[in-house]
Amino acid sequence: AQSVTQPDIHITVSEGASLELRCNYSYGATPYLFWYVQSPGQGLQLLLKYFSGDTLVQGIKGFEAEFKRSQSSFNLRKPSVHWSDAAEYFCAVAPGGNKLVFGAGTILRVKS
Amino acid sequence: DAGITQSPRYKITETGRQVTLMCHQTWSHSYMFWYRQDLGHGLRLIYYSAAADITDKGEVPDGYVVSRSKTENFPLTLESATRSQTSVYFCASRDTLGGAQYFGPGTRLLVL
Repeated sequence: AQSVTQPDIHITVSEGASLELRCNYSYGATPYLFWYVQSPGQGLQLLLKYFSGDTLVQGIKGFEAEFKRSQSSFNLRKPSVHWSDAAEYFCAVAPGGNKLVFGAGTILRVKS
Repeated sequence: DAGITQSPRYKITETGRQVTLMCHQTWSHSYMFWYRQDLGHGLRLIYYSAAADITDKGEVPDGYVVSRSKTENFPLTLESATRSQTSVYFCASRDTLGGAQYFGPGTRLLVL
């Protein structure tokens, strides 16, 4: 079945440490790929997107993601986490270009 | 400069009542979407619209009705609200360059 998996429900990192959030998808072809962030009580904000081309994508707030076709992964990274990055992060894919399918989300906690 | 707005932001209603949630976007995006977000289920697509007067069902359409008479508006109606429809509802519109959806701030609905 087509799906998006975020294996980590919660992740805790120290402020200033690096971060990697995992995302795997199962679709036949390479879909459009996205990362969104949701702060408590807020809507979802687009961090970055991948359609084609360079497999390392830069986004807002210092985030980047790398598409690896062989692993069907699109992991989100940040070299140095700030306390304000604490939020829930969603990976999403658009297999047909229209509808989005979301992962279950990863809640990031930042220790000071 | 609003982008995409939703109203009301909070709503309390009773079982059996009709409720309409409003969504308005200023980008002239063709596609618009309604999602609900629930603990344990993530974001699920209720309905979407490709253009004015064109709508289609998503993953969980039962109990909801949509219309789209104007490109900028996409109201969601709960014809007879049930407790299971207590949720956070997000409206989104799609970037015409492909795939990326932009979300409103959400409406928190409580059905008593």
